Amino acid sequence: AQKITQTQPGMFVQEKEAVTLDCTYDTSDPSYGLFWYKQPSSGEMIFLIYQGSYDQQNATEGRYSLNFQKARKSANLVISASQLGDSAMYFCAMRTGGSYIPTFGRGTSLIVHP
Amino acid sequence: DGGITQSPKYLFRKEGQNVTLSCEQNLNHDAMYWYRQDPGQGLRLIYYSQIVNDFQKGDIAEGYSVSREKKESFPLTVTSAQKNPTAFYLCASSIDPAETQYFGPGTRLLVL
Repeated sequence: AQKITQTQPGMFVQEKEAVTLDCTYDTSDPSYGLFWYKQPSSGEMIFLIYQGSYDQQNATEGRYSLNFQKARKSANLVISASQLGDSAMYFCAMRTGGSYIPTFGRGTSLIVHP
Repeated sequence: DGGITQSPKYLFRKEGQNVTLSCEQNLNHDAMYWYRQDPGQGLRLIYYSQIVNDFQKGDIAEGYSVSREKKESFPLTVTSAQKNPTAFYLCASSIDPAETQYFGPGTRLLVL
């Protein structure tokens, strides 16, 4: 069975600083993909970044990067230069090669303060 | 603009009533999904459809029904058999089942 764990229920960061949101996963399937989504208070889930298990380099998308440590089974999201608009819930998700349906973690609430 | 729309934004259900949540996409995506989100929880899959006229149960399908008669549309009916329907419902789609899912704005269902 596949499992996603986000251990930080809430995080605070000062504007313009970097923040790391933790995500660990568990699967026996060698082929899998890891996703991060942002959910602002409006409710819509916004896709941020994707990392495949066979990708040689860590994924980056603008201010978002994924710190992928395969041996540790971790896929932490790093947000550089935090902005007030980054305040939201952040969800990590994993999909294995044997299933098209991702499993979501419980999320981490990020608050960026001035 | 391409995207996924869900309506209504808020929906109220009376006891014993069936209600239908709308999900429409103009992204030409083959696959569509319905998720339920409860406070402090991640998303749980209700139903998904990989292609028109086909759909599969997810982890929590009891008390729900769907149809997929058109590629663009995947409505979800919350039936009276669903005893605890109060939640936030999210629809998603992907170009094919193996690709990234993109979400609509969601519908919040409340029971009167």
